[in-house]
Amino acid sequence: AQSVTQPDIHITVSEGASLELRCNYSYGATPYLFWYVQSPGQGLQLLLKYFSGDTLVQGIKGFEAEFKRSQSSFNLRKPSVHWSDAAEYFCAVGEDLSGNTPLVFGKGTRLSVIA
Amino acid sequence: EPEVTQTPSHQVTQMGQEVILRCVPISNHLYFYWYRQILGQKVEFLVSFYNNEISEKSEIFDDQFSVERPDGSNFTLKIRSTKLEDSAMYFCASSEGAGTEAFFGQGTRLTVV
Repeated sequence: AQSVTQPDIHITVSEGASLELRCNYSYGATPYLFWYVQSPGQGLQLLLKYFSGDTLVQGIKGFEAEFKRSQSSFNLRKPSVHWSDAAEYFCAVGEDLSGNTPLVFGKGTRLSVIA
Repeated sequence: EPEVTQTPSHQVTQMGQEVILRCVPISNHLYFYWYRQILGQKVEFLVSFYNNEISEKSEIFDDQFSVERPDGSNFTLKIRSTKLEDSAMYFCASSEGAGTEAFFGQGTRLTVV
């Protein structure tokens, strides 16, 4: 069965500093990987996704993530954090693209941004 | 930009009562999902729905739960007899089809008292 681990429950960074949120997955085949962001009172918004090809994927809001098969990781990065990035971030893994198989989510990492 | 909408945003109900959570998926989408997030915990899959029938469900989705697409636009989740542990944020999502991302609604916070 698939599983997703986000080892950091809460991270605090200074505005303008770089950010890396960790995500490790457990799945036998090549997974489909996603990062979602949930701002307070909002739904889940897709930041980026990895299906195949280039292992470094670019997303919205200046985020990027790198798929590393050898480490079973899909860490999210941003070179310079803005105060508006404060939110909950969820990593998710999908088994296939049929649309029938649900996403499995990690527990989330809450990002706080300080001045 | 099209979006998934959910109503109500917050619902409080007494234990044992029936609740219906409503969702309007994006109009040309074919796959529909319900997820829930208990406070402080991860987002959990409940059920997926395609071609007017359940395609997959989790062990959370027991006989107390049901889904329906009554009129071709709404997608509802019914909890027949709510329990305290049903208190959670419930997210509806939809996707256009194979190989496409799921779009999530803003969620309905259900509080069972």
